[in-house]
Amino acid sequence: ETGVTQTPRHLVMGMTNKKSLKCEQHLGHNAMYWYKQSAKKPLELMFVYNFKEQTENNSVPSRFSPECPNSSHLFLHLHTLQPEDSALYLCASSQVGDGGAFFGQGTRLTVV
Amino acid sequence: GEDVEQSLFLSVREGDSSVINCTYTDSSSTYLYWYKQEPGAGLQLLTYIFSNMDMKQDQRLTVLLNKKDKHLSLRIADTQTGDSAIYFCAETMDSSYKLIFGSGTRLLVRP
Repeated sequence: ETGVTQTPRHLVMGMTNKKSLKCEQHLGHNAMYWYKQSAKKPLELMFVYNFKEQTENNSVPSRFSPECPNSSHLFLHLHTLQPEDSALYLCASSQVGDGGAFFGQGTRLTVV
Repeated sequence: GEDVEQSLFLSVREGDSSVINCTYTDSSSTYLYWYKQEPGAGLQLLTYIFSNMDMKQDQRLTVLLNKKDKHLSLRIADTQTGDSAIYFCAETMDSSYKLIFGSGTRLLVRP
């Protein structure tokens, strides 16, 4: 079982749909993250949760709504997205103050 | 401000050494990392170095840190075709656990 698991791996959705991305970590970490990776742009940090509390929201549009019900699970709820939101969405987890973050395989999102 | 910069592309011959470079601007960086991303995959943590270290070696990987010049490098010895990927440099800073990434260096290993 991999350390950080993301589902689904691929998602195609229309602009009026509502969908959710799921992330689960099996590493006992206390922080979880959502990153967006678009072509020709650096990795963008979207949200950070530390001990289930959201500690960072990098001016992300409200059509992206995170949820962290416990320290092992993280969701990203999507609604009324735009085509420019098409990207690879990466989840990561880390133990605060101890080493780097471990990433999931990502969800490739296409908005049509 | 926070800024991490890398060259975009590096091409080497199989069996040669690869050196991927990174510069960063914030002197309060605590940890510096190298990640590898293969096509269609997430980021794999390769190695990291604490800011009070100059060098770290792990099998074929050698990380060098020049804190004065804010320069980090990753040397891959005996580069193989399986090393072809995008390599990201990243940093975290004092009192923070979020990662700041560079744009990535695409390494192409020619047979």
